[in-house]
Amino acid sequence: NAGVTQTPKFQVLKTGQSMTLQCAQDMNHEYMSWYRQDPGMGLRLIHYSVGAGITDQGEVPNGYNVSRSTTEDFPLRLLSAAPSQTSVYFCASSYSWTGTKGQPQHFGDGTRLSIL
Amino acid sequence: ELKVEQNPLFLSMQEGKNYTIYCNYSTTSDRLYWYRQDPGKSLESLFVLLSNGAVKQEGRLMASLDTKARLSTLHITAAVHDLSATYFCAVVLNSGGSNYKLTFGKGTLLTVNP
Repeated sequence: NAGVTQTPKFQVLKTGQSMTLQCAQDMNHEYMSWYRQDPGMGLRLIHYSVGAGITDQGEVPNGYNVSRSTTEDFPLRLLSAAPSQTSVYFCASSYSWTGTKGQPQHFGDGTRLSIL
Repeated sequence: ELKVEQNPLFLSMQEGKNYTIYCNYSTTSDRLYWYRQDPGKSLESLFVLLSNGAVKQEGRLMASLDTKARLSTLHITAAVHDLSATYFCAVVLNSGGSNYKLTFGKGTLLTVNP
């Protein structure tokens, strides 16, 4: 099983450039989310989606856009990259969290992004 | 705003010893997760705790949840080197309707020395 697939694995950008981090899952999960991980900060939620066509902001959404046109894909767009966005980005997915379901999120391998 | 605090943030222990990692959270929640992360790798789910008093065990790790105290513990028994990793707790906050947000602690870097 592929699980959660993130591309690219590594990327270097110049300040002001734009790019899209791709995330795809093949588990028919409703819930998808993007996190960034910085040293000593744990993982911080950027944006999340509870289903196709529905997205919402997390803790640190500024400078990032998302869309969810299909259940499988949840791309993260950096509109104008800044050095402060240098980080490791993780995409995750899970079944719905409503009711008594408590399935954990499945994480991709991460994208290591450097902004010069 | 939900805050999740782990302590200690750094833990160096000898093989064979026992220790506990603590996870406190600031807002009512009945869903807590523990994850493990090896250096340069992704996160791996360890435990899902869904109710007050829940206890889960896997090998040398045991996790528990006290929703009244807003506290979860991850207990390590007779540590071995292979347990060296960063451990995160994460708490779910229902922000309304079907909108659930997962908030992570900063992680505990565990090093098990021979």
